[in-house]
Amino acid sequence: GQQVMQIPQYQHVQEGEDFTTYCNSSTTLSNIQWYKQRPGGHPVFLIQLVKSGEVKKQKRLTFQFGEAKKNSSLHITATQTTDVGTYFCILTGANSKLTFGKGITLSVRP
Amino acid sequence: NAGVMQNPRHLVRRRGQEARLRCSPMKGHSHVYWYRQLPEEGLKFMVYLQKENIIDESGMPKERFSAEFPKEGPSILRIQQVVRGDSAAYFCASSPTRPEGRWHGYTFGSGTRLTVV
Repeated sequence: GQQVMQIPQYQHVQEGEDFTTYCNSSTTLSNIQWYKQRPGGHPVFLIQLVKSGEVKKQKRLTFQFGEAKKNSSLHITATQTTDVGTYFCILTGANSKLTFGKGITLSVRP
Repeated sequence: NAGVMQNPRHLVRRRGQEARLRCSPMKGHSHVYWYRQLPEEGLKFMVYLQKENIIDESGMPKERFSAEFPKEGPSILRIQQVVRGDSAAYFCASSPTRPEGRWHGYTFGSGTRLTVV
């Protein structure tokens, strides 16, 4: 079955440093979505990637979908304390089956 | 245009009692999903419903848990005879269409934090 790997589970960075996390799938995907959940909050939709090699930017966040549509990256440039939270991916397989990544919890030292 | 409304926000139940969690999807959304989040864990899919239909309940425990989305009113997640291990945050999400092709993501509610004492 479809499996997703999102590692590491936690990452700590100094404010101003860049940060990158990945979601890797065992199977080819229909699309991938990224969400952010602040501590004590609920998940908020960030972006959906559909096309092979697609790159989308939201201010300091850059999302990329791999050419083979089996992995995706989220890159944050010059992290700020407002970036703290858990970032997770939701994969949609070719059969429309959804698989959730466990997420990576980002902490930012001011 | 209210978002996804979940109530109650916090629910405390004694072991053996029943817990009822409610979710009203966004206006115009006919697809509802329930997720459970244990402390320090990621979201786990439980069930996907459309009005009066359960589409996918592959994530629901076989016993004590049930869900419905009636023609009128909110979706209800019901947990009978709660145990300590049921303590978690339960999130509901809705979408206007199925999660396939180009769609605009789930809208999540604020969740219900269930504590079983």
